[in-house]
Amino acid sequence: EIVLTQSPDFQSVTPKEKVTITCRASQSIGSSLHWYQQKPDQSPKLLIKYASQSFSGVPSRFSGSGSGTDFTLTINSLEAEDAATYYCHQSSSYPITFGQGTRLEIK
Amino acid sequence: EVQLVESGGGLIQPGGSLRLSCVASGFTVSSSTYMTWVRQAPGKGLEWVSVVYSGGSTYYADSVRGRFTISRDNSKNTLYLQMNSMRAEDTAVYYCARGGGIAASVDPWGQGTLVTVSS
Repeated sequence: EIVLTQSPDFQSVTPKEKVTITCRASQSIGSSLHWYQQKPDQSPKLLIKYASQSFSGVPSRFSGSGSGTDFTLTINSLEAEDAATYYCHQSSSYPITFGQGTRLEIK
Repeated sequence: EVQLVESGGGLIQPGGSLRLSCVASGFTVSSSTYMTWVRQAPGKGLEWVSVVYSGGSTYYADSVRGRFTISRDNSKNTLYLQMNSMRAEDTAVYYCARGGGIAASVDPWGQGTLVTVSS
């Protein structure tokens, strides 16, 4: 099983800050890594697919990078509406796995 | 609008069975390469449960293999999850979604249905 480890688990940030969330895979997964945003009492929403491809309708302040085992989600100029938990997800092999999540709190 | 709507959740005793349904609109389940179930225990992260391919192949998480069965009815444009021999640790919100297989992202997701396993 491929384990995805996100860091940090929690971050408290101020609006307009730049935020970086990392996701490390226990073995190489190429670019089969996707990022989701989940707000309280809502279902997850796709932000970034295949490590760096922005999903339709997602604000341009969200971007992704990386390949192999190390990946990054960057949020430029954070907005209050970005308060949420963010998950990475690998689709390289079964079982499909998710990172443990990174909760962002807006100060 | 592409949408998924789950139903069938509720309170079930340990050892019991439950079937979840997920009706798709705006696209056809039969034409989707993968359809998947993901669950989220209260206050916890996301856990992939199962996927069904357009050709009918299925894969399961170790935690549910042998107890859960994923299927779809193309005529009803509906995805199902039959859950048997349920355990307390199956308590979660269950989401159906398009995608979730090899080299595929997951989108869209349904709103989820809560399953509680308790005596």
